[in-house]
Amino acid sequence: AQTVTQSQPEMSVQEAETVTLSCTYDTSESDYYLFWYKQPPSRQMILVIRQEAYKQQNATENRFSVNFQKAAKSFSLKISDSQLGDAAMYFCAYRFLYGQNFVFGPGTRLSVLP
Amino acid sequence: NAGVTQTPKFQVLKTGQSMTLQCAQDMNHNSMYWYRQDPGMGLRLIYYSASEGTTDKGEVPNGYNVSRLNKREFSLRLESAAPSQTSVYFCASSAGTGKKSVGFGSGTRLTVV
Repeated sequence: AQTVTQSQPEMSVQEAETVTLSCTYDTSESDYYLFWYKQPPSRQMILVIRQEAYKQQNATENRFSVNFQKAAKSFSLKISDSQLGDAAMYFCAYRFLYGQNFVFGPGTRLSVLP
Repeated sequence: NAGVTQTPKFQVLKTGQSMTLQCAQDMNHNSMYWYRQDPGMGLRLIYYSASEGTTDKGEVPNGYNVSRLNKREFSLRLESAAPSQTSVYFCASSAGTGKKSVGFGSGTRLTVV
């Protein structure tokens, strides 16, 4: 069974600084997708970024980028120029290429300090 | 478009009571899901429905039942609520497998006393 681990329950960053959230996963599959979701206090789940496992190039979305290391099964999220609105719970998620289910990590709570 | 709509947003039940959480999506998605979110455990899949007329158990199905009423609606029923079912419940939908991301409802905070 696939598992997703986020080893940092809580992180904090100074406004305008850069922070990296860690995620590792375990799978025997070679084709899959990885996601980062943001959950602000409103509880809404918001897709931040997505990575296809067959792509070597790391995905980027404005201030958000990932460091995808397939051999190490690592998928970290880097947030540059952190803003107060980035404060939220962040979930890493895995989905097999032909799979229905998403497997979520336990989440990392990010605080942004003014 | 409203996306994924789930009701109610908050609910308090007494142990042994039953209730149904309602979910509807207007994105014409085939797949729908029910997750529960507990502190330190992320989101865990309760049940999912890959298409109208089909349902499958997820990681934590015990104590729950589901109905895929039509393509739009997927309900979750607690027949006899227990304190261990105190959680935040999310309904979600997806267009298909693989890279299709999932869209979530706004969640239901359920407390069983």
